[in-house]
Amino acid sequence: SYVLTQPPSVSVAPGKTARITCGGNNIGSKSVHWYQQKPGQAPVLVIYYDSDRPSGIPERFSGSNSGNTATLTISRVEAGDEADYYCQVWDSSSDHPVVFGGGTKLTVL
Amino acid sequence: QVQLVQSGAEVKKPGASVKVSCKASGYTFTSYYMHWVRQAPGQGLEWMGIINPSGGSTSYAQKFQGRVTMTRDTSTSTVYMELSSLRSEDTAVYYCARGGYETRDPLDYWGQGTLVTVSS
Repeated sequence: SYVLTQPPSVSVAPGKTARITCGGNNIGSKSVHWYQQKPGQAPVLVIYYDSDRPSGIPERFSGSNSGNTATLTISRVEAGDEADYYCQVWDSSSDHPVVFGGGTKLTVL
Repeated sequence: QVQLVQSGAEVKKPGASVKVSCKASGYTFTSYYMHWVRQAPGQGLEWMGIINPSGGSTSYAQKFQGRVTMTRDTSTSTVYMELSSLRSEDTAVYYCARGGYETRDPLDYWGQGTLVTVSS
């Protein structure tokens, strides 16, 4: 089945830019969705179809996808952005079509 | 507003079954797929399967084939996930999450989660 690889952790100072990567074989040919999960809460969709933002998600959140890597970028990071982030794709050729990355813990220093 | 409200926490013994409900409101229930995702303590998200509330068709992750059953009741806008032959490794928070018109659409609304604890 398709595998998505994320770094376990990313650290960034407040006001700086955080980039969280999601690697997969030719992931650029797939649509990537990103979720934010804070402790004790359900995940929240923050980016869909590579780079679209749901209503209510700050413009500081953006996404890109090309080649073998998709990236979630958070600009002007705030303390409230500290959370786990998961990428997800739909792999139509698989018997396990919804695939999540392992998650990345974003720490705001 | 879209809401997914799940049933309460459960404690089960190994070998038993559990049935979790997810009541939807604020949108046309039969127009959107519904997914089930679980998260073991301290672990990542794991997809279990999907149901089309319109016709009731389902697709399950191979890992859960034979142990999971997803159903829906259109009269109450509720979907159910039943997992049988429970073992300790099934201890997790179980989420329902709304998909889109197409299976590849994102999971845009999530229930609050249901903690299932499997312990003798």
